[in-house]
Amino acid sequence: GQQVMQIPQYQHVQEGEDFTTYCNSSTTLSNIQWYKQRPGGHPVFLIQLVKSGEVKKQKRLTFQFGEAKKNSSLHITATQTTDVGTYFCAVIKAAGNKLTFGGGTRVLVKP
Amino acid sequence: EPEVTQTPSHQVTQMGQEVILRCVPISNHLYFYWYRQILGQKVEFLVSFYNNEISEKSEIFDDQFSVERPDGSNFTLKIRSTKLEDSAMYFCASSEIQGQPQHFGDGTRLSIL
Repeated sequence: GQQVMQIPQYQHVQEGEDFTTYCNSSTTLSNIQWYKQRPGGHPVFLIQLVKSGEVKKQKRLTFQFGEAKKNSSLHITATQTTDVGTYFCAVIKAAGNKLTFGGGTRVLVKP
Repeated sequence: EPEVTQTPSHQVTQMGQEVILRCVPISNHLYFYWYRQILGQKVEFLVSFYNNEISEKSEIFDDQFSVERPDGSNFTLKIRSTKLEDSAMYFCASSEIQGQPQHFGDGTRLSIL
C-alpha cells in the first residue's frame, strides 16, 4: 500500500529558531495533507497541497509540494511554544478517502 | 464551529469483552471514518463508511470489528472479544465529500485489561 516516510522523527528546537520537517514517498502523490496533533489531542487539519511545486503559507508555516509530487515539506519560522506537537503528513489516493499518515515529526520547543 | 464528538472519552474493559465506541459526525458530512493510534505511534486507518456501507477497510479491520450507523446521527465502532493489543486511542472522523480534509473527534482511549 501507499506509504509516506517522515523525517526527522523528533525535532528539538530552541524557541525563535526555524525548522523543517519532510515527507517522502516512492510513488507520485495525487495530493498531500498536513495535520497537527497537540500532546493528548486529536489530529487537526492544517493544509492540503494538490499541484506540483505548490507553496502555501499560514502565518509562520510554509508548506511545499515537490515538483515531482513525491515529497513535501513543512517549514516553521521563529518557533513558539505553541508549535509543540506532532506534525503528520497524510495522503489520499485518487478517488479514495482513506488517509495514510506518515510517522510524524514530534516537535519539542525549548524556551 | 461544528465538531465531531466521541463518547466515552475513556473506556476500560476486560479482555474478551465487547466494546462499542460512539461518534456523532458533523451533521452535513457524508463520509465517516475510524482510525486508531497506539500510544506514541502514527495514526492508522481502520475503515471508511459512506451511504450506509463500508467503502474501504484496512487489514486491521478484521471480523472482530464492525461499524454501524444506527440512526441519522450516530456512527459506532464495535470491537468483539477485545484483546490486549486493541488498547489504543480510537478516533472518529468525518468529511463533507470524498478526498476533502477530515475532521477528527477528541478520541476514545480504550484500555484493555
